[in-house]
Amino acid sequence: EAQLLEWGGGLVEPGGSLRVSCTASGFTFSSFGMNWVRQAPGKGLEWVSTIGGSGDDTYYTDSVKGRFIISRDNSKNTLHLQMNSLQVEDTAVYYCAKDWSRLVGSAFDFWGRGISVTVSS
Amino acid sequence: TVLTQSPGTLSLSPGQRATLSCRASQSVNSNYLAWYQQKPGQAPRLLIHGASSRATGIPDRFSGSGSGTDFTLTVSRLEPEDFAVYYCQQYGDSLTFGGGTKVEIK
Repeated sequence: EAQLLEWGGGLVEPGGSLRVSCTASGFTFSSFGMNWVRQAPGKGLEWVSTIGGSGDDTYYTDSVKGRFIISRDNSKNTLHLQMNSLQVEDTAVYYCAKDWSRLVGSAFDFWGRGISVTVSS
Repeated sequence: TVLTQSPGTLSLSPGQRATLSCRASQSVNSNYLAWYQQKPGQAPRLLIHGASSRATGIPDRFSGSGSGTDFTLTVSRLEPEDFAVYYCQQYGDSLTFGGGTKVEIK
């Protein structure tokens, strides 16, 4: 069974940068698109970014375009989200999630436990 | 595509039927609509994809239906472990989630 484990979260000041990562196991990592979804405290789910299996195609929600960069290292089964120019509104639990099908950006059948990112002065 | 879920909260008793609605602001391409369940402190769990296909390991008391702009998740008989928040998601035009419906014990 697929497993996903996020790491790298923490506290950062507004305007700062942080990189969160996700290590995958239990499936052929390079064959599936991967995603980041976030959840602000007490709020609903918000899709953040998607990357195809090869890493060539990437997609972002409008609020993070130009600030966040999604990438992957298929040799290490690892997904990254580089977050720059962080804002208080980026405070959330960030989940790594696997595409259910070979369609890039589909339903998400496996999720990590989430990692907390807090942007505060 | 904006997804609107209703009601915001559903108060029911174990054994009752739950009917949750998800309405899209425009037609969802190829019925690319999923449903998730989330319990406090846990990651979401995929229940339904493609509007009506149950994900692996999901009990058959969960069913999805609908097409175009109107979709429904039905839980035929609520078990104690089904009280949670439910989200719909469309993946036919970028990706968006609905605001969620909380199913609480009456």
